[in-house]
Amino acid sequence: KNEVEQSPQNLTAQEGEFITINCSYSVGISALHWLQQHPGGGIVSLFMLSSGKKKHGRLIATINIQEKHSSLHITASHPRDSAVYICAVSPYTGANSKLTFGKGITLSVRP
Amino acid sequence: NAGVTQTPKFQVLKTGQSMTLQCAQDMNHNSMYWYRQDPGMGLRLIYYSASEGTTDKGEVPNGYNVSRLNKREFSLRLESAAPSQTSVYFCASSEAQYPGQGGEWTGELFFGEGSRLTVL
Repeated sequence: KNEVEQSPQNLTAQEGEFITINCSYSVGISALHWLQQHPGGGIVSLFMLSSGKKKHGRLIATINIQEKHSSLHITASHPRDSAVYICAVSPYTGANSKLTFGKGITLSVRP
Repeated sequence: NAGVTQTPKFQVLKTGQSMTLQCAQDMNHNSMYWYRQDPGMGLRLIYYSASEGTTDKGEVPNGYNVSRLNKREFSLRLESAAPSQTSVYFCASSEAQYPGQGGEWTGELFFGEGSRLTVL
């Protein structure tokens, strides 16, 4: 069983819809990252969080440490949000340690 | 522009050839990483460096060597390339801080643009 599981595996949405991507992990962590990768492109860090909730523009990330679960929400989705979204965790020993990645969710937003 | 620079972006090798992927960051980060990304596998850690002069094996280190030459640079070497090493390689750097009990980790994580390597 992977230490980091993401769901759903693939997701298609209509422009304007509210989207939720989930990440569950089975190990103790110090922090969790949400990353975005556009087709053929590089990887960009969206959020790093270890508790509560963070918001940046139309993106909201939440984490529940007790339940070992995080969600990434996209409000008013747009075709440019089409990308792979990857969840990664830092172990409890420290957020500067090695990251463990989920396999990523492929999101397609149709106009 | 601040960030992680890795070279080359594309490379084709024949089996048995050697090459070095270069990575440099200008953000004064202590931690640097090399990952490979394969279809359906996600990102897998090859090697990790917590600080200048230290390196540590990741999940898939076989066939690779690394050098943390200084704080800025972290190179990945393939001594004798094999077709199984065909992949996209990403370098990353990060820094995180913990303010103390009751606080929350803060930090940043940056990736290079990736290097697409094909071994024939």
